[in-house]
Amino acid sequence: QLQLQESGPGLVMPSETLSLTCTVSGGSISSFDYSWGWIRQPPGKGLEWIGSIYNDGRTYFNPSLKSRVTISVDTSKSQFSLRLNSVTAADTAVFYCTAGGGIAVAGAWGQGTLVTVSS
Amino acid sequence: EIVLTQSPGTLSLSPGERATLSCRASQSVSSNYLAWYQQKPGQAPRLLIYGASTRATALPDRFSGSGSGTDFTLSISRLEPEDFAVYYCQQYASSPYTFGQGTKLEIK
Repeated sequence: QLQLQESGPGLVMPSETLSLTCTVSGGSISSFDYSWGWIRQPPGKGLEWIGSIYNDGRTYFNPSLKSRVTISVDTSKSQFSLRLNSVTAADTAVFYCTAGGGIAVAGAWGQGTLVTVSS
Repeated sequence: EIVLTQSPGTLSLSPGERATLSCRASQSVSSNYLAWYQQKPGQAPRLLIYGASTRATALPDRFSGSGSGTDFTLSISRLEPEDFAVYYCQQYASSPYTFGQGTKLEIK
């Protein structure tokens, strides 16, 4: 059974880069024909799609974040990663890694990790 | 950008009753690429419906999705205590793939 787990710092300084990794278990990431994505949720608010990646490296980003976002996949480690640079307090959110059969359709979710941007 | 508006914001019902949640899009959602998610406090969302009407694996058949174009509905035929949660719709037809603001289904 596919499982996802986010990892990374819970506190990031303003203007710095937020980096998160999602580890995929229950099979090699290469064995799944899924899109791998990131969705965030500010405390007490709704959901925002950040971007998605396929195993062949194709990436798709939310235009509002595209200039600051990098998503990559490491099939040898069964992981995919998110980097969001130049963060501000507005980027404080629970970040979820997801997997789905279609782009941005999240059939599987990690438990989520809260990242706070603060000095 | 397709804006999704969910109504009502809060729905107060009793177990055993029927729930009807609405999601209206600012423009047509092509191919009915519309999904519904359920989120309970402190948990990640869970996919319920995709393609407007296809139930996710193992989803009880009391949940059903319908609609096309700009108007979509999630129905729960007989509410169970575990169904009280926040529900989000999402369109994945056109980037950015946006979510509605959510409907909170609470126990009356």
